[in-house]
Formats: sequence, C-alpha cells, structure tokens
Amino acid sequence: AQTVTQSQPEMSVQEAETVTLSCTYDTSESDYYLFWYKQPPSRQMILVIRQEAYKQQNATENRFSVNFQKAAKSFSLKISDSQLGDAAMYFCACITGTASKLTFGTGTRLQVTL
Amino acid sequence: NAGVTQTPKFRILKIGQSMTLQCTQDMNHNYMYWYRQDPGMGLKLIYYSVGAGITDKGEVPNGYNVSRSTTEDFPLRLELAAPSQTSVYFCASRPPGTGTNMNTEAFFGQGTRLTVV
Repeated sequence: AQTVTQSQPEMSVQEAETVTLSCTYDTSESDYYLFWYKQPPSRQMILVIRQEAYKQQNATENRFSVNFQKAAKSFSLKISDSQLGDAAMYFCACITGTASKLTFGTGTRLQVTL
Repeated sequence: NAGVTQTPKFRILKIGQSMTLQCTQDMNHNYMYWYRQDPGMGLKLIYYSVGAGITDKGEVPNGYNVSRSTTEDFPLRLELAAPSQTSVYFCASRPPGTGTNMNTEAFFGQGTRLTVV
C-alpha cells in the first residue's frame, strides 16, 4: 500500500512570484507514478503534471515543474510566475504499477494575492 | 465526448435511507474509482475496479458497496445512510496504459454532493 503526505494545508503567493508545494510519499513498489492535480472552486479535478519514477529528469509543463527526489521520496511542485487562476486546492497523488490504486494526499490550498 | 458522468449532482438523504450513486464513462477505460472528499480535505478511496467483474476495497469501504457488471458503469451503493457519509463523492476512470506503464491520467466526474440528515 502507498501513502501520500502533504504537510502544508495552506500556502499563499503573490502574483508573478514562485511557490513550491511539498509532497512526500511512501511505497514499497519500484514501479510507480506521481501526479499533481488541481481542484479549483468548481470542484473539477485537473491534471497539472505527472512523473514516472524511473525517469531521473524532472517533469515540466510550462510554468509548472516538479522536484523529484526519489531517495527522499519527495515530489514537490513549483509554480513560477503565479497567476490569479492558479488559486485552487492542489493534490499530490501516487499510483503503483501492480495495485492500480490511485492514492491522494490531503491537499494544499493555494491563495494567490495581488 | 461525455467523459465521466455522475448522477445525481446533489442529494439529501435521511438517516437509514439507501441510495445508489451512478457513474458512467464512455472512454472504454478499464480502471474506475470512487472517492469521497470531506470539506477541506483530500480524496479518500472507497472502492476501485480494474475491469468488469473485478472490484476491490480502498481506504474507507465501510458502509458502501459497488458492482462492475460492464466496462462503462460503476455504481456506488450506500446502505443505511449515516451523517458520517455526508460528503462529496467523485468517480474517476483511467485507461490501462501500455504494458506496465501506469502513467495514465485519471478523468473525474463533476461530483455528487450528498447530505445525510
């Protein structure tokens, strides 16, 4: 079984600044995948970025990038040039190759201020 | 393309009543999931399915039942509703990926807000 921990219930960032959201995970599997999802007030779940555990290179999607530290089991999300539309709940998630269970963390609420 | 459709969107139940939350996907995805999200909290896995006829428990299965008779449908049954089951329920589906590659995106429904009074 895997667990996902997000230790920051809330974060705040000024518009145009950079913010990093933390996530740690634990799994005994060697084959797993990590995701960050965004949930705006509309409740829609939107995939932000994904990372394969076997890849050493950190994933990047436009203003969003991850810092994947496999040995430390850490998977943080960096948002650069923050925009008002980035305000949302952000969830870290993990899935293993064998179990197919998609497990989420408790989320971080991101506020973006002017 | 409808994606993942959940019905109803809202429901109020009395304690002890039963209901079924419906979830249908038209993307031919093998994997389907049911989560509950309590206010200000994360998503907790209730049940999941890796294909028609196969279901398994997640973190919080007590008080719920599921079935998966077809690839498209994955209904969640609440028996004897309790106030602790007041939550927003999300259904999600994922394609199987290729080979052992599980790096596929999960698609979510819009959620069902359930209140038990």
